[in-house]
Parts: sequence; C-alpha cells; structure tokens
Amino acid sequence: SAVISQKPSRDICQRGTSLTIQCQVDSQVTMMFWYRQQPGQSLTLIATANQGSEATYESGFVIDKFPISRPNLTFSTLTVSNMSPEDSSIYLCSVEPGLENTEAFFGQGTRLTVV
Amino acid sequence: LAKTTQPISMDSYEGQEVNITCSHNNIATNDYITWYQQFPSQGPRFIIQGYKTKVTNEVASLFIPADRKSSTLSLPRVSLSDTAVYYCLVGDQSGTYKYIFGTGTRLKVLA
Repeated sequence: SAVISQKPSRDICQRGTSLTIQCQVDSQVTMMFWYRQQPGQSLTLIATANQGSEATYESGFVIDKFPISRPNLTFSTLTVSNMSPEDSSIYLCSVEPGLENTEAFFGQGTRLTVV
Repeated sequence: LAKTTQPISMDSYEGQEVNITCSHNNIATNDYITWYQQFPSQGPRFIIQGYKTKVTNEVASLFIPADRKSSTLSLPRVSLSDTAVYYCLVGDQSGTYKYIFGTGTRLKVLA
C-alpha cells in the first residue's frame, strides 16, 4: 500500500491570495491525481499529474487557476491561485501505485476555507 | 469513462446486512468495478474490487452479474462505524486510475 501525506491539513486564507498544497508519497508512483470535494459533495477530478510532463486538466479546470508541479515520482503540489470563497473545499491527492496493485490511494485531504 | 448511478442515501440498523447497488450501463470491456468508503474529513478508502461474478474479502462482498451493467456491494452485519459514504467507480485497470466519482451512497446505520 501507498502512504500519502498532504500538507497543510487545513488552512484559512484571504481572498485573492494563493495556497500551495503538497502531496508526498512513500513510494514511487507513475500517476498522481488531484481532486476537489466541495462541502457535502462528491469528488471532482481536477487534473492528472505525470512526472516530467505538464498536468492534464479536466473540463472546467485551468492551469492558471490550479498550477500543478510534479518534480519527481514521489511528490506533487497543487496551487489554488487568486482564491475566492467558491474555492473553499477539500482538496485531495490520489496515487495509482503501479501495475501490481489495483488500488488507488487517497491522502487525507486539505480543508481550505477562503474568507 | 463509464458513469455510475447509485442511490443517494440508505438507512439501516446495526446487525443488518446492507446491499448497495450501482448501475454502470456503459461499462467497457477492460473496466474493473471498485468500491470506496469515505468518512467525514477523510480521504476515500478502498473496500473491494472485481471484474465479474463474486468477490469477497474480510469486510465486504461484491456481486457482479454476467452483463456487468450493475454491481452490488454487500456489507454483512453493519455497525454504527459503517456510517459513511460509499462510492462505486469503474475504470480501466490497464490504463490510468482516472476515477470519475458519482454521487455516492450515504449510508446511515442506526442503533
């Protein structure tokens, strides 16, 4: 199994500022995924991050708003830029650990409140 | 990517067996069916995965009919701690694990 650590676990931010969320995995993984979960809602995939290439964004999400870095096989960051109260959500990192394992593992999430 | 449909919510009592059915009419040949459990303020946690027929592990069973257009997660003898949201997902195991989450089923176990 993969152990995923997300930082920060929660934050309260002023509108107009940016927050960078870190995702660290205890093993090398090919693909990392970032999700958003708004209060009381299901998870929505933001983007897929592969090491050495630009992230692939889902419909409705753009790089300028959610820039992603993937500098190596164990780490990724998601930045929420120019935040507004509508960005208040839980942001979750997920990884696919490899062909030998069929599970996708999730971090505990970062609870973001924008005021 | 196949879309899934589940009941929005279910109530059950402690000690009962709970069956949650998921519809995935457009499931592809290579897609597997995976169920996740999510507690408040936590990330989703893997429960069980299957391709066809029946799969059983220490926490649940997964029943998949021959046409694979639906699946049923069975939780035996639920307890209060099983109160959570349960998500049914379908995805291609040979490709990415790009899971698209549906609404999930909010299970409430009553004493």
